[in-house]
Amino acid sequence: GAGVSQTPSNKVTEKGKYVELRCDPISGHTALYWYRQSLGQGPEFLIYFQGTGAADDSGLPNDRFFAVRPEGSVSTLKIQRTERGDSAVYLCASSLTGGRGNTGELFFGEGSRLTVL
Amino acid sequence: LAKTTQPISMDSYEGQEVNITCSHNNIATNDYITWYQQFPSQGPRFIIQGYKTKVTNEVASLFIPADRKSSTLSLPRVSLSDTAVYYCLVGDTQIIFGKGTRLHILP
Repeated sequence: GAGVSQTPSNKVTEKGKYVELRCDPISGHTALYWYRQSLGQGPEFLIYFQGTGAADDSGLPNDRFFAVRPEGSVSTLKIQRTERGDSAVYLCASSLTGGRGNTGELFFGEGSRLTVL
Repeated sequence: LAKTTQPISMDSYEGQEVNITCSHNNIATNDYITWYQQFPSQGPRFIIQGYKTKVTNEVASLFIPADRKSSTLSLPRVSLSDTAVYYCLVGDTQIIFGKGTRLHILP
């Protein structure tokens, strides 16, 4: 596709359940970022991939959160034992390089809205 | 990591020029300054990026003084559709967003 695609657009789950959120970046973009955004707040950085490897996962809040990008393209954010506080919009972005210095433009998807009841 | 400070909110009127200033006192030598715009229920959208002096594109201008400790995003002749949250980011690979500036354009 032309832009970053995220699925599902909306997910409602119950406390304690497992959730997977998918991100399909722009073709050829080597860098991929996950953020989460709560109402009225800026996007909170979670993890950054360069290719298949996680270059920086310092933003993952705890070990219930995990992300993979096995082939250097599509990425999945996995949340175990969901809690009500995990409710937020999860944003994915990709960029052509993501290298140091000139970060280049990040292209964001529309986000996946997660609601934990 | 350079911390950024922006006004929480601003109001302006259609047709006016709007300037939003961001402070980043501990910017590092290799850091670039990037601005994003976000509408409700959408992901942020890149507006402009610069390193020093002035950068201009079809949407905005970015003014950066010689000491690079601040930057100003200038939006010429705003319209109602420019109502959004504007974020100033400074850094390298780890892209950190602050709370941004909520710009409200009035008719």
